Amino acid sequence: KAGVTQTPRYLIKTRGQQVTLSCSPISGHRSVSWYQQTPGQGLQFLFEYFSETQRNKGNFPGRFSGRQFSNSRSEMNVSTLELGDSALYLCASSDQGSGNTEAFFGQGTRLTVV
Amino acid sequence: AQRVTQPEKLLSVFKGAPVELKCNYSYSGSPELFWYVQYSRQRLQLLLRHISRESIKGFTADLNKGETSFHLKKPFAQEEDSAMYYCALTTSGTYKYIFGTGTRLKVLA
Repeated sequence: KAGVTQTPRYLIKTRGQQVTLSCSPISGHRSVSWYQQTPGQGLQFLFEYFSETQRNKGNFPGRFSGRQFSNSRSEMNVSTLELGDSALYLCASSDQGSGNTEAFFGQGTRLTVV
Repeated sequence: AQRVTQPEKLLSVFKGAPVELKCNYSYSGSPELFWYVQYSRQRLQLLLRHISRESIKGFTADLNKGETSFHLKKPFAQEEDSAMYYCALTTSGTYKYIFGTGTRLKVLA
């Protein structure tokens, strides 16, 4: 099976712009989660989607949003970018059908805000 | 509040020496505990989880509910164990992971 795929791998944006990141989960996985990874804060949970519904949300401002499509692919959007949004954004998928809570991670999208 | 604490940012040991990476958690319910590992230039991947009680690559971790700890241990470190290790928990029935800040393990020749 192909692993979790995130696109693009690298992004440079200017403050105030918005950005959309994409995640394709492992085939058959219906749960997709997003994390922000920074040197100071480590990995922080953003949100989790299952069957196109957001089930859990972390403590991030409303500028961070996401969605999931019927094919389980997910997108994450950040509006009005701030310098502090520079981070590695990781997507993970899980096969909830098996009851297995293991998360399979993508390589991440490195976002730099200038 | 749910929290995972890894007190060591960096742990350096010599090859063949025992390794213990510490992890403490706070959660009022029954969490599921994991260790994830990230080798250089590779994606984050599961190393082991407490419910399976297995040994992976010589590593073991025992959940101590009294001390709310889930320390990762290996009796004899190998150079290929050098990596970033993250302790994490999920709350029952969810796929929301709470990660610790990670410990970088360096195994010296």
